[in-house]
Amino acid sequence: NAGVTQTPKFQVLKTGQSMTLQCAQDMNHEYMSWYRQDPGMGLRLIHYSVGAGITDQGEVPNGYNVSRSTTEDFPLRLLSAAPSQTSVYFCASSYNFQAAQETQYFGPGTRLLVL
Amino acid sequence: AQSVTQPDIHITVSEGASLELRCNYSYGATPYLFWYVQSPGQGLQLLLKYFSGDTLVQGIKGFEAEFKRSQSSFNLRKPSVHWSDAAEYFCAVFSDSSYKLIFGSGTRLLVRP
Repeated sequence: NAGVTQTPKFQVLKTGQSMTLQCAQDMNHEYMSWYRQDPGMGLRLIHYSVGAGITDQGEVPNGYNVSRSTTEDFPLRLLSAAPSQTSVYFCASSYNFQAAQETQYFGPGTRLLVL
Repeated sequence: AQSVTQPDIHITVSEGASLELRCNYSYGATPYLFWYVQSPGQGLQLLLKYFSGDTLVQGIKGFEAEFKRSQSSFNLRKPSVHWSDAAEYFCAVFSDSSYKLIFGSGTRLLVRP
């Protein structure tokens, strides 16, 4: 198993540009989520999905879109990047987060710089 | 609303010394609690988790944590720190009403040789 993979590892954008951060997992996990990590603020949940076709907002959803057309993939879209979105983005998954015992597995992260 | 507080932003200990990282949570029901570690430039790795039962939980890498309901705390401990333990540590609580994992702001551990 590759686990949770994220691409790209690093990206520089100009204000107003759009891009998609990719996240994939090969563990047949139902639950997937996106976090952003900023200094002194820990990880904050952006969006999450409890299964294909089902997504919901986390703590900081503004400026981000998600969709979940397959179990494996959960892309995060920035429609019009802003400097405030400069951050490190982590994708995570677990088999079924309705069972609290399930551990979340984290990807290696994508470092995004918006100029 | 659920929340997690890690009051120490940085902690420095000498190699071989004991360690305690503090975590306080706010949650109405029985909490599901986690500790994660993040090495520089890496993702997060689960150290241990608590759901029920014995309030002293053993994790990987020699870490343990104790759940104290009366103090709303879930402090992480290690009896003897190794240089490789230098990392950032995150406490988290799971909200089973909203399927969200809520993180504290993290504590960065520095280890003196």
